[in-house]
Amino acid sequence: DSGVTQTPKHLITATGQRVTLRCSPRSGDLSVYWYQQSLDQGLQFLIQYYNGEERAKGNILERFSAQQFPDLHSELNLSSLELGDSALYFCASSFQDSEGQPQHFGDGTRLSIL
Amino acid sequence: AQKITQTQPGMFVQEKEAVTLDCTYDTSDPSYGLFWYKQPSSGEMIFLIYQGSYDQQNATEGRYSLNFQKARKSANLVISASQLGDSAMYFCAMRARLLNTGTASKLTFGTGTRLQVTL
Repeated sequence: DSGVTQTPKHLITATGQRVTLRCSPRSGDLSVYWYQQSLDQGLQFLIQYYNGEERAKGNILERFSAQQFPDLHSELNLSSLELGDSALYFCASSFQDSEGQPQHFGDGTRLSIL
Repeated sequence: AQKITQTQPGMFVQEKEAVTLDCTYDTSDPSYGLFWYKQPSSGEMIFLIYQGSYDQQNATEGRYSLNFQKARKSANLVISASQLGDSAMYFCAMRARLLNTGTASKLTFGTGTRLQVTL
């Protein structure tokens, strides 16, 4: 058990819809990261929040947004969903932004767009 | 920019044998960390082992060891005494400290190696 909690585990929805993925980091971790894992793109970094503020952005589409709340949990919002958004979405957390610290991953949310 | 290359899409190993999973990396950042993660068929990502760019000794964690050769830019994972439960996808990843910000944000992943342990 990594200590990172993601909900829901599975999500099935239709094109054009909007969904929210939720993540609770490990106790004490200030940084939250979101990744997308798809068959064609592999594991891609989307966005990072550190102590409530956006810290870094990766290959995140404009239709996607995220935020980190005062209690440090984070939400990833995906809107105007397309078939290509079907993927496994991971949240990870670490205490600091250090190259020496591993990121601990949640079990992921598997999103299927029909 | 950082890049991770894993050239072995799939590997087979017999139970109780040792196996080496290859990983090479490329970065111009002087300070970085190298990580290995295991992803079983159930999908979760499990952190296995870490090696820092300035570490003089190779990292070990139980049956996992990391063969770090900085000059060759390689960070191979060695699993000793393989078990059936080791069958999974294995990802090599890097996290580099950026010179302009002094922070290390994202993990950059390789494409993974699927390991199958046989009887």
